[in-house]
Amino acid sequence: KQEVTQIPAALSVPEGENLVLNCSFTDSAIYNLQWFRQDPGKGLTSLLLIQSSQREQTSGRLNASLDKSSGRSTLYIAASQPGDSATYLCAVGETSGSRLTFGEGTQLTVNP
Amino acid sequence: KAGVTQTPRYLIKTRGQQVTLSCSPISGHRSVSWYQQTPGQGLQFLFEYFSETQRNKGNFPGRFSGRQFSNSRSEMNVSTLELGDSALYLCASSSRAFNYGYTFGSGTRLTVV
Repeated sequence: KQEVTQIPAALSVPEGENLVLNCSFTDSAIYNLQWFRQDPGKGLTSLLLIQSSQREQTSGRLNASLDKSSGRSTLYIAASQPGDSATYLCAVGETSGSRLTFGEGTQLTVNP
Repeated sequence: KAGVTQTPRYLIKTRGQQVTLSCSPISGHRSVSWYQQTPGQGLQFLFEYFSETQRNKGNFPGRFSGRQFSNSRSEMNVSTLELGDSALYLCASSSRAFNYGYTFGSGTRLTVV
């Protein structure tokens, strides 16, 4: 059974800081890995999708890496802003692709 | 391009009642999945439908059921509601090959009293 862990559970940083969120998974036989953002009481917004054959993806200030062999992914946020405050969720797609297993999330607060 | 639409946004039901939630996927997406989000359990997979067939099912009791129509719209039903069913129910859609990942709707907040 796939298990996904995210560290840290919560993070508070001053505006402008670069930061890294971590995600680990127990079964390396994955289809893809997706990072989401969730604002309080809202749905999920997809940030980055990494296919199992890829090592990283970038979008603006965000960069996500994937190391299947070690069962790890990181989400790097450059020059953080107060608007980045949200919960960030890592989700691993199983090999059939039809099911995501989520981590518990990292609650990020960026202070002005 | 319209996103994933879930209705209603909020629901309050009494214990023992049943409820039906609706999800309209992105046009052209044939896979629809449902997830339950609670503070204690996080996001948990309920089931996934593709071309009106349930292809994958999570570890939930039989009170939770779903279906998908020929236009890919999906409904989820929960019978004999319990207080613990109070949650945010999220629907996600994907293209056939899942290569583009999942797009989620805004969710339905269900409160059971």
